[in-house]
Amino acid sequence: KNEVEQSPQNLTAQEGEFITINCSYSVGISALHWLQQHPGGGIVSLFMLSSGKKKHGRLIATINIQEKHSSLHITASHPRDSAVYICAVYTGNQFYFGTGTSLTVIP
Amino acid sequence: DVKVTQSSRYLVKRTGEKVFLECVQDMDHENMFWYRQDPGLGLRLIYFSYDVKMKEKGDIPEGYSVSREKKERFSLILESASTNQTSMYLCASSFIGDTEAFFGQGTRLTVV
Repeated sequence: KNEVEQSPQNLTAQEGEFITINCSYSVGISALHWLQQHPGGGIVSLFMLSSGKKKHGRLIATINIQEKHSSLHITASHPRDSAVYICAVYTGNQFYFGTGTSLTVIP
Repeated sequence: DVKVTQSSRYLVKRTGEKVFLECVQDMDHENMFWYRQDPGLGLRLIYFSYDVKMKEKGDIPEGYSVSREKKERFSLILESASTNQTSMYLCASSFIGDTEAFFGQGTRLTVV
């Protein structure tokens, strides 16, 4: 049983497209994180949120606590957005991770 | 303003070597975690610590030990590195029960 489910697993988009990655979770959480990992690279924390919506540049993250669901949106996608995006939820004493969404943006 | 720092981004070690992966946080967090990431398996918990000198095994502690002598530092130790410990290792820290939690940038360890 996976406490965190992400979809889609793989995503290919044309440059400029609007992208949505979804995350559903089954545990009670105090915060949800979206992480980005480029091929061969380290992990960068994009967002930490516990309610509502956050925006950073072309990235937007939303969370619905009642529905236990979060989305990561990328507007005007660019090839440099190609990476694996990981949803992680924090329960107050441990993390659960999704298996990641591999995004490829084609020029 | 880096809050969780892992000592190395990339590390190459030989089979049988003793390996130390260091994680330091500057936020006075009680909780610190070590995870490893493998293709198809995602991120799995190795050990965590909720206070100085306290540690708890995670899902995959075999072949690893940890040390937390100071609140800000949590070390992951591979007593005798093996090729199946080649992986990405990720450290995280948080306050107990709080929403705030942060990740390090990860350490890619290759054991040859």
